[in-house]
Amino acid sequence: AQKITQTQPGMFVQEKEAVTLDCTYDTSDPSYGLFWYKQPSSGEMIFLIYQGSYDQQNATEGRYSLNFQKARKSANLVISASQLGDSAMYFCAMLPGGSYIPTFGRGTSLIVHP
Amino acid sequence: DAMVIQNPRYQVTQFGKPVTLSCSQTLNHNVMYWYQQKSSQAPKLLFHYYDKDFNNEADTPDNFQSRRPNTSFCFLDIRSPGLGDAAMYLCATSADRGADTQYFGPGTRLTVL
Repeated sequence: AQKITQTQPGMFVQEKEAVTLDCTYDTSDPSYGLFWYKQPSSGEMIFLIYQGSYDQQNATEGRYSLNFQKARKSANLVISASQLGDSAMYFCAMLPGGSYIPTFGRGTSLIVHP
Repeated sequence: DAMVIQNPRYQVTQFGKPVTLSCSQTLNHNVMYWYQQKSSQAPKLLFHYYDKDFNNEADTPDNFQSRRPNTSFCFLDIRSPGLGDAAMYLCATSADRGADTQYFGPGTRLTVL
């Protein structure tokens, strides 16, 4: 069975600073994908970034980067230069290779202060 | 733009009065999902379709049904909504198996009076 753990229920960051949201996972599958989604108060789940288990380099998408440490089974999201609009819930998810049913973490609420 | 569309965005119904939520996609994806999400919780998968094959999660109440008449459309029917069914309902799609990204619609927020 797959498991995703997000240990930070809430995080606060000052505008323009960087913030790291933690995600650890557990799986016995050798092939899997890791995802981060942002969910603002409006409710839509917005795809942010994807990391494949065999990818050699950490994924980056604009201000988002994924700090992938395979041996530690962690896939932390780093948001650089935080903006007020980054305030939202952030969910980490994992999808085993060959499956199409992801497992979601409980989410981390991020608040960006001016 | 290709996208996942949900209607309505907000739905108010009375206790026990059937309600149907709709989802459409222009991505031509094989897989469609329905999730229920309550406040401050992760989305909970209710069921999904792989093409026409329907897959029900074991703990999805019988009160919830789904239809997928074609690739583009999927419906969630709640036959007799209870107060505990008030939640955000999210539709998502993915192309196929194997680490494919899920794309979500904006959600329908259901209120049960």
